[in-house]
Amino acid sequence: GQQVMQIPQYQHVQEGEDFTTYCNSSTTLSNIQWYKQRPGGHPVFLIQLVKSGEVKKQKRLTFQFGEAKKNSSLHITATQTTDVGTYFCASSRGSNYKLTFGKGTLLTVNP
Amino acid sequence: DGGITQSPKYLFRKEGQNVTLSCEQNLNHDAMYWYRQDPGQGLRLIYYSQIVNDFQKGDIAEGYSVSREKKESFPLTVTSAQKNPTAFYLCASSIGDSPEAFFGQGTRLTVV
Repeated sequence: GQQVMQIPQYQHVQEGEDFTTYCNSSTTLSNIQWYKQRPGGHPVFLIQLVKSGEVKKQKRLTFQFGEAKKNSSLHITATQTTDVGTYFCASSRGSNYKLTFGKGTLLTVNP
Repeated sequence: DGGITQSPKYLFRKEGQNVTLSCEQNLNHDAMYWYRQDPGQGLRLIYYSQIVNDFQKGDIAEGYSVSREKKESFPLTVTSAQKNPTAFYLCASSIGDSPEAFFGQGTRLTVV
């Protein structure tokens, strides 16, 4: 079945440093979604990308979808302690509602 | 307030017992999902349902069962056949034409 591989598994940064997590697939993706899960919480939807080469920004967060629609990245500029959590990418296939998640990247930020 | 409610938040059961986790949504969403989360494993799909009275197995359905008799409810039963039931269980729902998933608060099941 469709799989999305996410790297790195863990990332520890100093507050103010940048952070990037990557999501890769061996097959072309219909879309890519990003979720954030705070420690002890549940995943919360951040954004969806559907177009080849698409770039979207949310304040300090920049999301990219590759030209071939096989990879995506989430970049956080100047991390803050509020950015701590696990970031997941996920994708669904066409009209199928089934969402497949990556294993997530756990971000910790040292103040 | 609209949302997804999972209950209970924490659940303890003895090995060999079946247990049912509740998931209710008042968002009028067509699709509902059950995921299992283990440390380092991300979210793995157990079952999902796109419409009432229909559901499909996900990637790790063995040892679990579901029903979808009402649009707003999608209970998950963890049976005694599930070999490693201790985990964090997340229920989610989505609108039919948008795959964005809305998650409940989760149920942490511990089997002793």
